[in-house]
Amino acid sequence: GAVVSQHPSWVICKSGTSVKIECRSLDFQATTMFWYRQFPKQSLMLMATSNEGSKATYEQGVEKDKFLINHASLTLSTLTVTSAHPEDSSFYICSASLGGVYSYEQYFGPGTRLTVT
Amino acid sequence: AQRVTQPEKLLSVFKGAPVELKCNYSYSGSPELFWYVQYSRQRLQLLLRHISRESIKGFTADLNKGETSFHLKKPFAQEEDSAMYYCALRSGGYQKVTFGTGTKLQVIP
Repeated sequence: GAVVSQHPSWVICKSGTSVKIECRSLDFQATTMFWYRQFPKQSLMLMATSNEGSKATYEQGVEKDKFLINHASLTLSTLTVTSAHPEDSSFYICSASLGGVYSYEQYFGPGTRLTVT
Repeated sequence: AQRVTQPEKLLSVFKGAPVELKCNYSYSGSPELFWYVQYSRQRLQLLLRHISRESIKGFTADLNKGETSFHLKKPFAQEEDSAMYYCALRSGGYQKVTFGTGTKLQVIP
């Protein structure tokens, strides 16, 4: 149980366009979802935390107008990279938490490789 | 600010040798510490957390508040232990988790 999927697994887009990444909890309802960014050979950097039905909380230095996060339901969160630039190329990973007494554990998606040309 | 440090990017050990993956943290409050593992071509998954004080796949980790460390140990390494290991900290009461930079464990047959 507790499977998180991401779609697409990889995407290539042109500079200036927007791209949407979906994160779904397949067999559980996720109270909270997280979006991370991972550069090559570096750690995961938390971008934002989102709770269903409310605005996402962004980490310092993350542009909320550039990285739009929508957590429309307990099983779906989306990250939209707007007006993408080559420096946005990265590996984006989402995770989901059950909440409550199980809030300590995050279930991770497989990640999405974004390449902006 | 909370921070997690994993000083080793790569740790190579022979099969059957003991393993210790180091993790140090800085946090002023009461942290929750975790170890996550990522096997080749698989997603990140929770290995263990300090609160449970359990052994998973032969791995244990003890929180040492005096030394602000949470090292991961296993007495006898197996080839299937080869993976990327991340130490992580969650500040009490909040869900935000801070990850270390990770250590790649390579078990040599």
